[in-house]
Amino acid sequence: GDSVTQMEGPVTLSEEAFLTINCTYTATGYPSLFWYVQYPGEGLQLLLKATKADDKGSNKGFEATYRKETTSFHLEKGSVQVSDSAVYFCALSVGGGNKLTFGTGTQLKVEL
Amino acid sequence: KAGVTQTPRYLIKTRGQQVTLSCSPISGHRSVSWYQQTPGQGLQFLFEYFSETQRNKGNFPGRFSGRQFSNSRSEMNVSTLELGDSALYLCASSLDSRDTDTQYFGPGTRLTVL
Repeated sequence: GDSVTQMEGPVTLSEEAFLTINCTYTATGYPSLFWYVQYPGEGLQLLLKATKADDKGSNKGFEATYRKETTSFHLEKGSVQVSDSAVYFCALSVGGGNKLTFGTGTQLKVEL
Repeated sequence: KAGVTQTPRYLIKTRGQQVTLSCSPISGHRSVSWYQQTPGQGLQFLFEYFSETQRNKGNFPGRFSGRQFSNSRSEMNVSTLELGDSALYLCASSLDSRDTDTQYFGPGTRLTVL
């Protein structure tokens, strides 16, 4: 079946540090890939997405590139802020329909 | 444009009872999906409705059911509640029912089963 594997958290960084959260996937077909973010006490918000190989999704300084050859979709940001503290979920959708398969989530804590 | 709304936001029930949760999608969106979020199992897909028809279903027992109305609003029902049903239930809507679509999530309904 389809699955998403994310690096375990929590990840603790100092403000302005570089962020990488690893995400790899297994899919039965050709997936679309997503990063969602969940701030404390809130629902999920789409951060970025990519729908085909070599696409780069970007938003709010975050980027991720769809790498079909390594089945990866790593999230990066050049300089994190305290306000980026949240839980980040990598997800995929494949085969038609809106069924998202999520990774376990990675908690990010950014300190001053 | 208003976002996805879910009611109620919080619910406390006892084992054996049943519960109905409601979701109003973004205006114009025809697809509504439901997810269960727990600390142990993470985010798991329950089902998706599109134009009043169930399009996809996750691996949950038959106690979990849903429906969608002609105005795209959706409800999910859980019968014979168990302690393990305590979770945050998230609803998401999208324009269509394609895997490239962006799903927009509501704030969730926090269900506690005592």
